[in-house]
Amino acid sequence: AQSVSQHNHHVILSEAASLELGCNYSYGGTVNLFWYVQYPGQHLQLLLKYFSGDPLVKGIKGFEAEFIKSKFSFNLRKPSVQWSDTAEYFCAVNAGGFKTIFGAGTRLFVKA
Amino acid sequence: DTGVSQDPRHKITKRGQNVTFRCDPISEHNRLYWYRQTLGQGPEFLTYFQNEAQLEKSRLLSDRFSAERPKGSFSTLEIQRTEQGDSAMYLCASSSGLAVMISYNEQFFGPGTRLTVL
Repeated sequence: AQSVSQHNHHVILSEAASLELGCNYSYGGTVNLFWYVQYPGQHLQLLLKYFSGDPLVKGIKGFEAEFIKSKFSFNLRKPSVQWSDTAEYFCAVNAGGFKTIFGAGTRLFVKA
Repeated sequence: DTGVSQDPRHKITKRGQNVTFRCDPISEHNRLYWYRQTLGQGPEFLTYFQNEAQLEKSRLLSDRFSAERPKGSFSTLEIQRTEQGDSAMYLCASSSGLAVMISYNEQFFGPGTRLTVL
């Protein structure tokens, strides 16, 4: 069965620090990969997605993620975080079809 | 607001009671999903509708759960004989059918209905 693992449940950073959130999935075939974000009091929203092509994808608000097929990973990065990036981040995988599998999420707190 | 809406936002019920939640998707979206999210976990897929047809149902959805989408517009999720283990956030999402590959369509999430079963 497909699964998604997010390595850190809680991350605390100071403003301007660099961010990398890990995501690994278990599925051997072609996958579509997503990062969703939930800001405090708001709905889940799409941050970025990978379907094919360049494995380095750029999303909103300066976020990017790199798909490394050999490592089954899709890590999220941002060079310099802001206080407004405080949120919960979810990695998700779809192997085609209706079902998208989400990781458990990583809560990021950015200290001003 | 033209996003996905859910009603109610919060529901407290006693064990054994029935509850029904409603989801109104973005109007032009023909695909609708229900998820359940418990504390410390990500959303778990429950079921999927394309227009009015329920095409996929997770094994998480026991016989006490039923979902409908009459006329392919709003959807309802009913839980009968609620149990304390049903306490969770129930999320609805919708997506358009523009891309051939279903997973290519971005899912837009609603605010969720938080269910507490006492």
